[in-house]
Amino acid sequence: QQQVKQSPQSLIVQKGGISIINCAYENTAFDYFPWYQQFPGKGPALLIAIRPDVSEKKEGRFTISFNKSAKQFSLHIMDSQPGDSATYFCAASLRGSNYKLTFGKGTLLTVNP
Amino acid sequence: GAVVSQHPSRVICKSGTSVKIECRSLDFQATTMFWYRQFPKQSLMLMATSNEGSKATYEQGVEKDKFLINHASLTLSTLTVTSAHPEDSSFYICSARVGGGNTEAFFGQGTRLTVV
Repeated sequence: QQQVKQSPQSLIVQKGGISIINCAYENTAFDYFPWYQQFPGKGPALLIAIRPDVSEKKEGRFTISFNKSAKQFSLHIMDSQPGDSATYFCAASLRGSNYKLTFGKGTLLTVNP
Repeated sequence: GAVVSQHPSRVICKSGTSVKIECRSLDFQATTMFWYRQFPKQSLMLMATSNEGSKATYEQGVEKDKFLINHASLTLSTLTVTSAHPEDSSFYICSARVGGGNTEAFFGQGTRLTVV
């Protein structure tokens, strides 16, 4: 049973455009929602994270939008650049599990020059 | 950000042998470390959670006798793949967190294991 569903599986965006990746979760006990960026052959790196008590968080070109009632959250990458081309994973965790992360299946983002 | 170092980054071993992967938190003490496995073009699959000084908690379907995890200190955890077989070939990634109310997990750079 997949607890975090991520879409789309792949995404192609032109340079300067907006990349949007969506995730939906099932467990209402989740209380931490990070997004990770992974380049080929490397470990994931934390991009941005949000807690369910806020609806939006922005860091530079990256924004998380969070909809608690719909159990959905999304990552927006503004002014997408070729260097943003990577795989993006959403995740969710809860305090009682040592903040063990449950990952979405990932989105391969390609930003064309 | 905090640094987690994984070693080796690549290893090739013969079928039937054992291989050890190290995960170190370089500038913080990690009360909890996690080990993941990732197949090509797939997501990270959690294998086990380890807390310093106690036995690791394995996820369902992960053979604890095959994947030995030791978290003997607050800065080092090891994963030993015993009697490796070609199907164990994968990308293994560790992560570490400080503990308490600190939620962020820092990931190592991963280890590419190839069993021939």
